[in-house]
Amino acid sequence: AQKVTQAQTEISVVEKEDVTLDCVYETRDTTYYLFWYKQPPSGELVFLIRRNSFDEQNEISGRYSWNFQKSTSSFNFTITASQVVDSAVYFCALSQPGGYQKVTFGIGTKLQVIP
Amino acid sequence: DVKVTQSSRYLVKRTGEKVFLECVQDMDHENMFWYRQDPGLGLRLIYFSYDVKMKEKGDIPEGYSVSREKKERFSLILESASTNQTSMYLCASSPAPRGYYEQYFGPGTRLTVT
Repeated sequence: AQKVTQAQTEISVVEKEDVTLDCVYETRDTTYYLFWYKQPPSGELVFLIRRNSFDEQNEISGRYSWNFQKSTSSFNFTITASQVVDSAVYFCALSQPGGYQKVTFGIGTKLQVIP
Repeated sequence: DVKVTQSSRYLVKRTGEKVFLECVQDMDHENMFWYRQDPGLGLRLIYFSYDVKMKEKGDIPEGYSVSREKKERFSLILESASTNQTSMYLCASSPAPRGYYEQYFGPGTRLTVT
């Protein structure tokens, strides 16, 4: 069975601080995909990034960066110099490679960036 | 851009009513999904469909059914609404039935059953 754990339910930071959102996953598959989604107050989840299990390279996109470590089954997300627009709920998700795309989501981390 | 639309943003229904939630995607995606989102529980999969007239149960299908008569439309049906089905319902789609693809979400329907 798959499992995704986001231990931080809510985080508050002051604008311009860096913040890391943790994601730990469990799976028996050797091939899998990890995702991060952002859900702003408007409600619509937006895809941020995908990583496959064979690619442990960290990725940076502007102020966002992701650290994937298979050894600790973690896929953490860092926002550098946070802004008020980063306030949202962030979901980590794990997908099986085949079948009919069963995706397991974490419970989400609510990030509040205070001006 | 892919667009997933849901028929209502807010809905209030009475216990025992039959409720239809509609979802339409405009990018010819094969996969469509219905989730419910509750505080502290994240997103839980109710049903998904990988083709017209095909459906698979997700993690919490009890009390729900679905219909997919056309590729672009996926309906969630609450046969007899109950108060414990008060929730945010999210529809999503993805291009193909493989785990590689991200999902595209609609804005959600907040359903209240009184």
